[in-house]
Parts: sequence; C-alpha cells; structure tokens
Amino acid sequence: AQSVTQLDSQVPVFEEAPVELRCNYSSSVSVYLFWYVQYPNQGLQLLLKYLSGSTLVKGINGFEAEFNKSQTSFHLRKPSVHISDTAEYFCAVRNSGGSNYKLTFGKGTLLTVNP
Amino acid sequence: DGGITQSPKYLFRKEGQNVTLSCEQNLNHDAMYWYRQDPGQGLRLIYYSQIVNDFQKGDIAEGYSVSREKKESFPLTVTSAQKNPTAFYLCASSPTQGGGNTIYFGEGSWLTVV
Repeated sequence: AQSVTQLDSQVPVFEEAPVELRCNYSSSVSVYLFWYVQYPNQGLQLLLKYLSGSTLVKGINGFEAEFNKSQTSFHLRKPSVHISDTAEYFCAVRNSGGSNYKLTFGKGTLLTVNP
Repeated sequence: DGGITQSPKYLFRKEGQNVTLSCEQNLNHDAMYWYRQDPGQGLRLIYYSQIVNDFQKGDIAEGYSVSREKKESFPLTVTSAQKNPTAFYLCASSPTQGGGNTIYFGEGSWLTVV
C-alpha cells in the first residue's frame, strides 16, 4: 500500500515571496510522483511529474519540485508567488511498474497568496 | 476540443433516491476513474476501469456503482445505500500504454442531498 502526507494543510504567504509545499510518501516499490493544482470549483490540473532521471523537475507556472529518494520526499517550490497562485495543491503517487495506473493523493495544501 | 466532460455540474438528490453522474471523454484513453473529494480529505478513489466492460473497486466503493459499456463513457451511480453522498465528484482518464501516464480530470460535479 502507498500513502502520501502533505505536511501543511494551509500555507499563507505574501505576494512575491518564495514558497515550499511539502510532500512525503510511503511505498514499498518504486514510484512516480505528481503535483496537481486545483482552482476553486474546478478539476485538477497537472503541474509537474517525476518519472526518472534528474531529481529536479520543472513544471508549469514557474513551479519546480525535487525528488529525494532517501527522504521519500517530493517538495514543491516557487521562488516568487503571485496572487493567481492561490489554489489547493495535491501531491500524488503511483507505482512505476505493473499495470495499475491509479493515483493515491495527499489531503492537499491550500496556498493563499496575500497582497 | 479534447477533454473530459462531466454533467451535471450541480445536482440535488432527495434521500432515498439514486442519481447518476455522467462522464464522457474524447481523448481515446483506455482507463477512467471516479474520485470523491471532501474538504480536508483529499481525493479518494471510488471505482476505476482500465478497459471496456471491466472495472474495479477503489477505496470507498460502498454505495456506488459504475458501468463501462463504451470506451468514452464511465457513468457513476450514487445509490441510496451511500450514507453520506454530499461531495464533489471528479472523473478522470488516462492512457494505459507506456509509463508515467498523466491522469486528466474533468471539471467535477457537486452532489448535494436535500
């Protein structure tokens, strides 16, 4: 079984400040890792994903994440946030092998960017 | 435009009634999924299907049913046996060939029991 822990349920920051949203996972097998963003009353949109190779992954809207296998973490970062980044962010994991494609999600982190 | 269409966006159900949420995709994806979202709970998997005429229970399947008669369609029925159905429901789809495939989501449907 896999699990995902998002360490902060809410993160308030000021505009143009840097932000880090933390994600830790648990799995007995190799995994793929994902970050999704959800704006109010909408579906989820993929920000970025780690499959293999470089541990630093760049995504849309200036976000990036770093995979750390020894710490089983996949933290999301942005050097300077905008008001428009206010949304809920979900970390997710799935097995990298086998034929089961379903994702396991964390409970989400609400990022609020204040002026 | 390619994508996933969920309908209706808002649905009200009286206690004791079954309701069906529609999900259609034109992305030619083999796999489809239904997730339930509650505040502070993240997304929990209800059912998923990786091929037509086959589907598997997820983590919270009790009180729900699905069918997969066509590749493009994966409707979810919320039955009267679901004790707390008020939630935001998200349909998703993905390819099954290759690794690391992205799961794409629809815009969601709000179900409220009145």
